[in-house]
Amino acid sequence: DAGVIQSPRHEVTEMGQEVTLRCKPISGHDYLFWYRQTMMRGLELLIYFNNNVPIDDSGMPEDRFSAKMPNASFSTLKIQPSEPRDSAVYFCASSYLQAIRSSTDTQYFGPGTRLTVL
Amino acid sequence: AQSVTQPDIHITVSEGASLELRCNYSYGATPYLFWYVQSPGQGLQLLLKYFSGDTLVQGIKGFEAEFKRSQSSFNLRKPSVHWSDAAEYFCAVGAPFNDYKLSFGAGTTVTVRA
Repeated sequence: DAGVIQSPRHEVTEMGQEVTLRCKPISGHDYLFWYRQTMMRGLELLIYFNNNVPIDDSGMPEDRFSAKMPNASFSTLKIQPSEPRDSAVYFCASSYLQAIRSSTDTQYFGPGTRLTVL
Repeated sequence: AQSVTQPDIHITVSEGASLELRCNYSYGATPYLFWYVQSPGQGLQLLLKYFSGDTLVQGIKGFEAEFKRSQSSFNLRKPSVHWSDAAEYFCAVGAPFNDYKLSFGAGTTVTVRA
């Protein structure tokens, strides 16, 4: 398996522009997570989905952020309009609940998207 | 809600020396506990996890961690560090029955000197 795939790996944009980050989870995983990592706040869970349905979006910072999962193999995180304080590394991770009670990984992380908003 | 504290922001260790990274958690019952490692420019990789049973957990890359309920701790250890162990390490806690939602510590950066 190719693992969790994220695109783009790097994104540089100007303040006010719309940014869309993409994630393809591991096939067969029914949970998908979006995290944001910054020096100031560390790794924060933004939102997670189960079977394509958003379960908890309490970590989404504000209305400028939105996430969708139209099918089991694709999710997007959108920021509109973007601001410099959104600059961070955004990670997507996937898992399936059964794995948590086994010796295998709990959440598989993608390589991240480094977002810079000028 | 669960939370994690990693008291050490940065640790420098000589190659071949032992390493111990501290992690303290806050949770009302026995949590699920994890250690992840992040190499520069990479995503997080699971080193080991504790759910129940033996309090000494063995992981990949020669790491182990010990769950101590009385101290609310889950410290990570490696007896002999290799230069490739230089990375950032994150402790995380998950709540049983809600264990897909993890709370991460701030991380500890490990530098390995020759």
